[in-house]
Amino acid sequence: TQLLEQSPQFLSIQEGENLTVYCNSSSVFSSLQWYRQEPGEGPVLLVTVVTGGEVKKLKRLTFQFGDARKDSSLHITAAQTGDTGLYLCAGAPAGGTSYGKLTFGQGTILTVHP
Amino acid sequence: DTEVTQTPKHLVMGMTNKKSLKCEQHMGHRAMYWYKQKAKKPPELMFVYSYEKLSINESVPSRFSPECPNSSLLNLHLHALQPEDSALYLCASSQLTQGDSPLHFGNGTRLTVT
Repeated sequence: TQLLEQSPQFLSIQEGENLTVYCNSSSVFSSLQWYRQEPGEGPVLLVTVVTGGEVKKLKRLTFQFGDARKDSSLHITAAQTGDTGLYLCAGAPAGGTSYGKLTFGQGTILTVHP
Repeated sequence: DTEVTQTPKHLVMGMTNKKSLKCEQHMGHRAMYWYKQKAKKPPELMFVYSYEKLSINESVPSRFSPECPNSSLLNLHLHALQPEDSALYLCASSQLTQGDSPLHFGNGTRLTVT
């Protein structure tokens, strides 16, 4: 069974601060996806990282995939109240033997205060 | 607006009731999923359909019965549920690739079992 350890579980910060969320595993993933979920809605895909060492930027959000494809991070610069939500990382198993079964991290609940 | 539509948005049912949750997508995705999500937790996979055939059942109790009438529709039939089954039920779809295709989630049905 593949596990994804996501940290921190809770993050409460002021508007304008920077933050980083981590997802770590001892298993290799073929790709890693990041989702954000707002209250009353389903998760929405932010980005997929596929190549080891890959860095992707989405406005103030920077996503990195570890060289060994076992870990990933999400960095938010100058957080805004609209960034509030549940952030989820999800890994697709390497080797293609568990099609359709993403492994989700435990989630990070981010609250950005004005 | 999400491209995966779920109805109803809210459902309250007694333990002896029979009800159904519905999900529809028109993106041409051939994989569809049911997830269960408790508050502030990641989604837990219940069922996966690929090409309208059930491909994954994550040992879900038989009081949950999925059905995929065609490539656009997914139902979840509920019967004799327990209060601990109260949760947000999310439907998702994806293109049929080797497991790292991103998920498109609906906004869920908030189910309360009394």
